[in-house]
Amino acid sequence: DADVTQTPRNRITKTGKRIMLECSQTKGHDRMYWYRQDPGLGLRLIYYSFDVKDINKGEISDGYSVSRQAQAKFSLSLESAIPNQTALYFCATSAADSSYNEQFFGPGTRLTVL
Amino acid sequence: AQSVTQLGSHVSVSEGALVLLRCNYSSSVPPYLFWYVQYPNQGLQLLLKYTSAATLVKGINGFEAEFKKSETSFHLTKPSAHMSDAAEYFCAVSGGNEKLTFGTGTRLTIIP
Repeated sequence: DADVTQTPRNRITKTGKRIMLECSQTKGHDRMYWYRQDPGLGLRLIYYSFDVKDINKGEISDGYSVSRQAQAKFSLSLESAIPNQTALYFCATSAADSSYNEQFFGPGTRLTVL
Repeated sequence: AQSVTQLGSHVSVSEGALVLLRCNYSSSVPPYLFWYVQYPNQGLQLLLKYTSAATLVKGINGFEAEFKKSETSFHLTKPSAHMSDAAEYFCAVSGGNEKLTFGTGTRLTIIP
């Protein structure tokens, strides 16, 4: 089945460490997104990419960076992790020809920064 | 600009009772609206979407939602709650800027 996968699923790290979260998709979609979910805050957009050469900041990009290595791969990095980056992180994809931008989500990565 | 407000961060209903989860939106252009469900330890799954066709939209697992432009609402309903409906539900709006804006979510608890 065409899918969106995320690795790792769970990660515990320490303050100041560099962390990379990876997302891969077999849906053939051009658009990819990274969100974080915090209790009571819903999902907030960190970065998004409409194709390999297009990267855009979302509403909460500070402290994060991304890399779009290929159409199917979109990685999120925390250069120096801090405790308030503890959250559930989701990758999502959508088709470029979708006029209403229906998005398909991966299973999430639970990140804990100590 | 676009935004979504979900009234009630927690809703509890008895098994077999009506489920009503409220969503109001704001959008400067005709909106596309979505309801997603998140089961424990899983990602978000699309329940249903409004894409400017029929105002009453039917989704999976017996859920439906009605788009009411005059009330800027897109409330989610299910006539009879089942234990398996316990999850967190998110309303989202896409207003033509190719991004989704999510509400803060409503956690639905089903009482046996």
